[in-house]
Amino acid sequence: GNSVTQMEGPVTLSEEAFLTINCTYTATGYPSLFWYVQYPGEGLQLLLKATKADDKGSNKGFEATYRKETTSFHLEKGSVQVSDSAVYFCALVVGGYNKLIFGAGTRLAVHP
Amino acid sequence: ETGVTQTPRHLVMGMTNKKSLKCEQHLGHNAMYWYKQSAKKPLELMFVYNFKEQTENNSVPSRFSPECPNSSHLFLHLHTLQPEDSALYLCASSQDKGVGNTIYFGEGSWLTVV
Repeated sequence: GNSVTQMEGPVTLSEEAFLTINCTYTATGYPSLFWYVQYPGEGLQLLLKATKADDKGSNKGFEATYRKETTSFHLEKGSVQVSDSAVYFCALVVGGYNKLIFGAGTRLAVHP
Repeated sequence: ETGVTQTPRHLVMGMTNKKSLKCEQHLGHNAMYWYKQSAKKPLELMFVYNFKEQTENNSVPSRFSPECPNSSHLFLHLHTLQPEDSALYLCASSQDKGVGNTIYFGEGSWLTVV
């Protein structure tokens, strides 16, 4: 079956620290991969995506590279800010069916 | 502004009440979705509509009744809910098919069943 596994949180960092949130997937076929972010009290916002192997998605200083050989899509940011505190969800869609399959989410807390 | 608007943002209802959640998308999409986000479970897909037709019902109890009168509007009718149904209900939309089409979410409706 199709599934997404994320590193468990919470992740607590100081401002300007380097961030990595690990995400690996299992999929039949060739998935598209997404990172969504949920700020406190809000819905989900698309952060970035990649639709084929070796693609790099990027937005707001965040990056993730679609690695087919390791079935991974790790999220990175070089220097986090307090405003990045949120829950981050890795997700995939397989084929032509737009059914997002989510990981459990990773909570990030950045303190000054 | 995400292009997907949900109302109400917060709802408290008793177990014998009947209420509805509303979702409207302004993105010209053909597919709409209901997701449930509760504290103790990952995000769960509930229903999928493509061109107003329901194409997915993820074993959702019948006390949740979706309605999609057109491609821009989606409702979730609620009746005789249980306290464990308290959750954030997220509406989303996308183009119906195609590799990598992005799914856009609304801000959600926080439901509390008392």
